[in-house]
Amino acid sequence: QKEVEQNSGPLSVPEGAIASLNCTYSDRVSQSFFWYRQYSGKSPELIMSIYSNGDKEDGRFTAQLNKASQYVSLLIRDSQPSDSATYLCAVNMLGYSTLTFGKGTMLLVSP
Amino acid sequence: GAVVSQHPSRVICKSGTSVKIECRSLDFQATTMFWYRQFPKQSLMLMATSNEGSKATYEQGVEKDKFLINHASLTLSTLTVTSAHPEDSSFYICSASGTGDFDSDTQYFGPGTRLTVL
Repeated sequence: QKEVEQNSGPLSVPEGAIASLNCTYSDRVSQSFFWYRQYSGKSPELIMSIYSNGDKEDGRFTAQLNKASQYVSLLIRDSQPSDSATYLCAVNMLGYSTLTFGKGTMLLVSP
Repeated sequence: GAVVSQHPSRVICKSGTSVKIECRSLDFQATTMFWYRQFPKQSLMLMATSNEGSKATYEQGVEKDKFLINHASLTLSTLTVTSAHPEDSSFYICSASGTGDFDSDTQYFGPGTRLTVL
């Protein structure tokens, strides 16, 4: 059973703080990792993808991947109230075209 | 880049009628399209995967005769909900992955279609 685990939250952070979102996955041969943001009532939008161990930065977002620990995280620097949303971690398992999604972590950024 | 559109964005229909939802990739060729359903405050649920020119692969528990999927071209897939009933009311979202300048395993989502069956 392929699993992607996320804390459902909500994770509450004050405006300007760093939000840290975490995700673990069960399949060691996973090869592609994605973070999506979903606002209430809207569809998911891609934030970033990561394929190799280490950090990948894009603006205020940094994805971190540790394949040995089967762990991927998303850091949001200088969090803004507009970042309040549910963040979905998704993993592509080797040999599959589909993504396995976590249930998402709700982030609340207070002004 | 990587824009996916859906039409309609919202539909209300009477019980027993059929509803067709279109999903288009606007700036890339979508070799694979995915259809998801999401009930309020619940996770995305994959319904089916379709490859251009092939029959869709449905997830366990999804009725293929009720949810008809066609992926006739590299830019268009359709989902038809046949004989819709109130329990089919949900948020239907398509996504697409493809070729070109975009990672082939990255899924780009459409804006979704909110279906309400009366």
